[in-house]
Amino acid sequence: AQSVTQLGSHVSVSEGALVLLRCNYSSSVPPYLFWYVQYPNQGLQLLLKYTSAATLVKGINGFEAEFKKSETSFHLTKPSAHMSDAAEYFCAVNRAGSYQLTFGKGTKLSVIP
Amino acid sequence: GAGVSQTPSNKVTEKGKYVELRCDPISGHTALYWYRQSLGQGPEFLIYFQGTGAADDSGLPNDRFFAVRPEGSVSTLKIQRTERGDSAVYLCASSLGGSITDTQYFGPGTRLTVL
Repeated sequence: AQSVTQLGSHVSVSEGALVLLRCNYSSSVPPYLFWYVQYPNQGLQLLLKYTSAATLVKGINGFEAEFKKSETSFHLTKPSAHMSDAAEYFCAVNRAGSYQLTFGKGTKLSVIP
Repeated sequence: GAGVSQTPSNKVTEKGKYVELRCDPISGHTALYWYRQSLGQGPEFLIYFQGTGAADDSGLPNDRFFAVRPEGSVSTLKIQRTERGDSAVYLCASSLGGSITDTQYFGPGTRLTVL
């Protein structure tokens, strides 16, 4: 079965600092991986996805993530945090052949001015 | 164009009552999904429709939960004999449907509170 572990339920960074949100997955077959963001009182929005093409995936709002099979990781990064990045971020996985997404518990990002 | 919409945005009901939650997907999307998000957790898959049929209902927790999509567009999630543990945000998503890597677009959710 597929699962996702997000390390850190809450991460705080200073405005302009590097953002690093961690995601590790377990899957018996090559996975497809996703990062979603949820702003308060809004629906989940896709940031980026890995679908077995390039291992470094660039998304919206300056975010990117790198698929590392040897580490079973798909960490989300952004070089410089902005106040508008404050939100909750979810990593998700689905295995080949399945339309289900399995989500992590989420990481709430706070940006300190 | 319009995104996924869900009604109502909030629903308060009493234990034992029946509720219906509605989802309007993005026009032209053949795939539709229901997820449930409890406080402090990520969304959990409930059911997936391809067109009018439920292609995967393995996430429905028990037979009190049922969902339909009679015309391949709007979907209704139905919960019978509600319990306090059913309190959660119910999310609907839709995708074009041709590929499992199609982006799932989520609605804002319906917050269900069972008293």
